[in-house]
Amino acid sequence: GNSVTQMEGPVTLSEEAFLTINCTYTATGYPSLFWYVQYPGEGLQLLLKATKADDKGSNKGFEATYRKETTSFHLEKGSVQVSDSAVYFCALMITGNQFYFGTGTSLTVIP
Amino acid sequence: DARVTQTPRHKVTEMGQEVTMRCQPILGHNTVFWYRQTMMQGLELLAYFRNRAPLDDSGMPKDRFSAEMPDATLATLKIQPSEPRDSAVYFCASGGRQDTEAFFGQGTRLTVV
Repeated sequence: GNSVTQMEGPVTLSEEAFLTINCTYTATGYPSLFWYVQYPGEGLQLLLKATKADDKGSNKGFEATYRKETTSFHLEKGSVQVSDSAVYFCALMITGNQFYFGTGTSLTVIP
Repeated sequence: DARVTQTPRHKVTEMGQEVTMRCQPILGHNTVFWYRQTMMQGLELLAYFRNRAPLDDSGMPKDRFSAEMPDATLATLKIQPSEPRDSAVYFCASGGRQDTEAFFGQGTRLTVV
């Protein structure tokens, strides 16, 4: 089947710390992979995506690389800011625009 | 600026009442998703439409929930009768051609008392 497993939260970091949120997946076929971010009181927004193996998605200082050999798509940022505090969701999409989401990881960045 | 529009943003209703949530997908998108988000269960897929036809509604309690797309510009999610356990944020999302992301609305926060 298709599923996404992501790191349990919550995660609390100091400003300028390095961030990693782990995400692994199982999928039939060749999925596209996504990271979405949800700020308080809002819907999910696309943060970055990668559509094939070895692709690197990047946006706002965040990066994730599609690793087929380890079925992973870990989210990283070198220096987090208070404004990065949000819930992060890893997701995969298979043929036909069917999406599968992880459970979300809450990140709090303290000054 | 294309976006998915959901109404109402907030709804408080009494147990047993009918609730209707509406979603206007992005013009030209042919897939629509309904998700429910709670603290306990996270993000759950309720229903999924493509070209207005339901492809997967296995996540939806059939006895009280129904989802429809009367036309390409409107998707509805109804709960009748509503129960306190239905309290959650309901998100609609739409998508276009393959390999494009899903775009989410702002959600409808439903409280059933």
